[in-house]
Amino acid sequence: SQQGEEDPQALSIQEGENATMNCSYKTSINNLQWYRQNSGRGLVHLILIRSNEREKHSGRLRVTLDTSKKSSSLLITASRAADTASYFCATDGGGNQFYFGTGTSLTVIP
Amino acid sequence: DAGVIQSPRHEVTEMGQEVTLRCKPISGHNSLFWYRQTMMRGLELLIYFNNNVPIDDSGMPEDRFSAKMPNASFSTLKIQPSEPRDSAVYFCASSSPTLAGGGLAKNIQYFGAGTRLSVL
Repeated sequence: SQQGEEDPQALSIQEGENATMNCSYKTSINNLQWYRQNSGRGLVHLILIRSNEREKHSGRLRVTLDTSKKSSSLLITASRAADTASYFCATDGGGNQFYFGTGTSLTVIP
Repeated sequence: DAGVIQSPRHEVTEMGQEVTLRCKPISGHNSLFWYRQTMMRGLELLIYFNNNVPIDDSGMPEDRFSAKMPNASFSTLKIQPSEPRDSAVYFCASSSPTLAGGGLAKNIQYFGAGTRLSVL
């Protein structure tokens, strides 16, 4: 399978704390994306990092990419209750398709 | 643009019945994807189209599943006959390899709200 794997599967933190999720993948990539899914909704794109980039920021989000280890991490700083959702990494499959990981379920406790 | 539109939002049917799920991609997008999401298997890519042509259907589980894209603004995923193990949430997504209008970025997938299918 070309699916990535997120770690941990589930994460529970207090509001204001930072949340870190990791993604490991198997094949070479052109870019990696992170998506968010609220309960009962479709996935929403958060951030894209290219294979020649090591770190990228967007608001409270920070993504790192280590292509030598085939891994990426997503850091959400100063978490809020509204950040409660599942987070997925997606790696490109060479065409236009992306392969999604198994997701990390984040719960932010107010 | 209203985004990717899927219908119905919920479908309950009995085993053996035909099920048709519908998707309208974002105008101007030329790639369309069908996914299935379950707790056990996560998000699985079933099939994707480029310019209305099926490119990769290796994720379609069985011959009971078929997908069509008769034009750039409409796609269907059909299951015939349906089985209880087909129960899942089915998502449609669209993307464009080049910048589309309205500020939408390329190579990013835009998902519909999904169809929750229950086969009894």
